[in-house]
Parts: sequence; structure tokens; C-alpha cells
Amino acid sequence: NAGVTQTPKFRVLKTGQSMTLLCAQDMNHEYMYWYRQDPGMGLRLIHYSVGEGTTAKGEVPDGYNVSRLKKQNFLLGLESAAPSQTSVYFCASTFGGGPLHANEQFFGPGTRLTVL
Amino acid sequence: GENVEQHPSTLSVQEGDSAVIKCTYSDSASNYFPWYKQELGKRPQLIIDIRSNVGEKKDQRIAVTLNKTAKHFSLHITETQPEDSAVYFCAAATGNTPLVFGKGTRLSVIA
Repeated sequence: NAGVTQTPKFRVLKTGQSMTLLCAQDMNHEYMYWYRQDPGMGLRLIHYSVGEGTTAKGEVPDGYNVSRLKKQNFLLGLESAAPSQTSVYFCASTFGGGPLHANEQFFGPGTRLTVL
Repeated sequence: GENVEQHPSTLSVQEGDSAVIKCTYSDSASNYFPWYKQELGKRPQLIIDIRSNVGEKKDQRIAVTLNKTAKHFSLHITETQPEDSAVYFCAAATGNTPLVFGKGTRLSVIA
């Protein structure tokens, strides 16, 4: 099993450009999450999904959109990138059964995004 | 919403000594408290978790304690080794709402 994978691993954008980050998991997990990690700020939740076709806002959703058309994939989009979106982005997934969000999250390897 | 505070932000210990990292949370409904370890350039990985019906949990050299009354929980690492050097994150969740992470503690174990 590959677990949680993310593409691309690195990307450099110019201000105003758009891009989509792809997260894929092969563990049949219901819940998926997108975080951003900035120095000294920990992991901050951008958006999450509790099942195919559902999405919800997290702590820092502005400037991002997401889609979960298939259970195994969770896409994060930046419509018009800004320098403030320079960060490392992590995707994660969890089973979602029983205690719902209160289960181990499995993280992808991360995407390092720089916006010039 | 939930707010998780984590201290200290950096911690240096001599190899073989113990390390303690503390977190406080604000939502008394939180009932799940995991700890994640992130080595440099790697993804976060769960090292131990505790649920609110348990006061303490141990796994070899690591342990977590929970004080529901005071709304704080702590990570204890004994007999630290250089491979324990990493950033550690605490988090809290109610189950119905997603995890909220602390800002992290950078632990350095000096040989």
C-alpha cells in the first residue's frame, strides 16, 4: 500500500497563477484533510472532507478551494496564488468510523509551494 | 472553538535525560489527545494518543498523562536518545470536530 501520496512535491508559482494539489489515499479512509505548515505556526487546517462529495472549511480556508469527487482523492486548488500562500502543504486521512475525527491521521509527504 | 497551547517551543536535553512537553486545551468536550512527531523534512507521524477515559498511557520510553479537570496533558520521554530529536505536536479533538494542533516543540537531544 502506498498510503497517502501527494503531487507535486515542489512547485514555484508567480503571484496570480493557479494550481491544484492532488492527494490520494489507498486505505479506504472516509475523512481527508488539507493542512498548511508555516514556521512556528504548527499545522493549520484549511479544508476537510468527511466523505465523497462533501467538503467543509477549516481554520484558514480563504484563498483555497477543494473537491472530493472520488473517495480516494482530495484536491486543493489555489485560484490566484499570493506570496502569503508560500508554505508546506500536508494532506492527511483517517478512518472516520467510531469516534469520527478522533482517530489516527496518516499524513502525505507534503508539497513545498513557493509563490513569488 | 478549541484552542491548544503548547510549551515550551524549544527544548534541549542531554542524552539520557527526560523531556516533558505540556499542552493545555480550552474545550472541555475534547476527548482525544494525540501526539505527533515530525523529523526534519518528513511528514508528521502519530507516536501516542490518549482518550479522556484514561489518565495515563505508556509505550516503552514515552508516556502521556491527562488532567481533565485542569484541561492539560503532557508528553514524557525518558532516557532520551539522539533519534528523539524532532518537532513534537500535541492536538485535541471532540470527535465531532477536527483535530486542533499546538504550535509544536522542537526537541534537541545533545549527545
